[in-house]
Amino acid sequence: VIWMTQSPSLLSASTGDRVIISCRMSQGISSYLAWYQQKPGKAPELLIYAASTLQSGVPSRFSGSGSGTDFTLTISCLQSEDFATYYCQQYYSFPPTFGQGTKLEIK
Amino acid sequence: EVQLVESGGGVVRPGGSLRLSCAASGFTFDDYGMSWVRQAPGKGLEWVSGINWNGGSTGYADSVKGRFTISRDNAKNSLYLQMNSLRAEDTALYHCAREGKATVTTWWFDPWGQGTLVTVSS
Repeated sequence: VIWMTQSPSLLSASTGDRVIISCRMSQGISSYLAWYQQKPGKAPELLIYAASTLQSGVPSRFSGSGSGTDFTLTISCLQSEDFATYYCQQYYSFPPTFGQGTKLEIK
Repeated sequence: EVQLVESGGGVVRPGGSLRLSCAASGFTFDDYGMSWVRQAPGKGLEWVSGINWNGGSTGYADSVKGRFTISRDNAKNSLYLQMNSLRAEDTALYHCAREGKATVTTWWFDPWGQGTLVTVSS
């Protein structure tokens, strides 16, 4: 099983800020990483797959980077609708596993 | 519009059984693998089980292997999860989720259903 460390677990920021969420793997996974956004009471929504490919319909202020063991999700200019919880997920090896989540809250 | 709607959740005693269903619409169901992913109250996401497009290949998390069985009925555009020998730690919101791309196994998921709540309690 691949272990994932997502940080920070809680992030306070303001509208307009640029924020970065990190996801570190216990072993290399090439670019087999996805990012999801989940709002309270809602299903997770895919933002990015293959570490940096933006899913259709996702705003361009979201971007992903990294390969191997270290990955980041960047939101370039926070909007009010971006305050949510974010999860990374590796799909390099079975079973697919998720990070612990980062809750992005309004400062 | 692609839709996934889960049903079948409820309260069950430890050791009991439940069968979850997921009704799919808005896409060609038998072009896609499907999975179940659960979320314990206030916790993160845990992949539970997955199945390929024709049901010929399935996989399970170690935490549910031997107790849960995933299946699908492509004629009914439906996915199922038979859960036996339920434990308190199985309490969670169970989401069904579609594979990210048609005809291939990706193990990333889009979209997800809203989920059905399973509570295991005496």
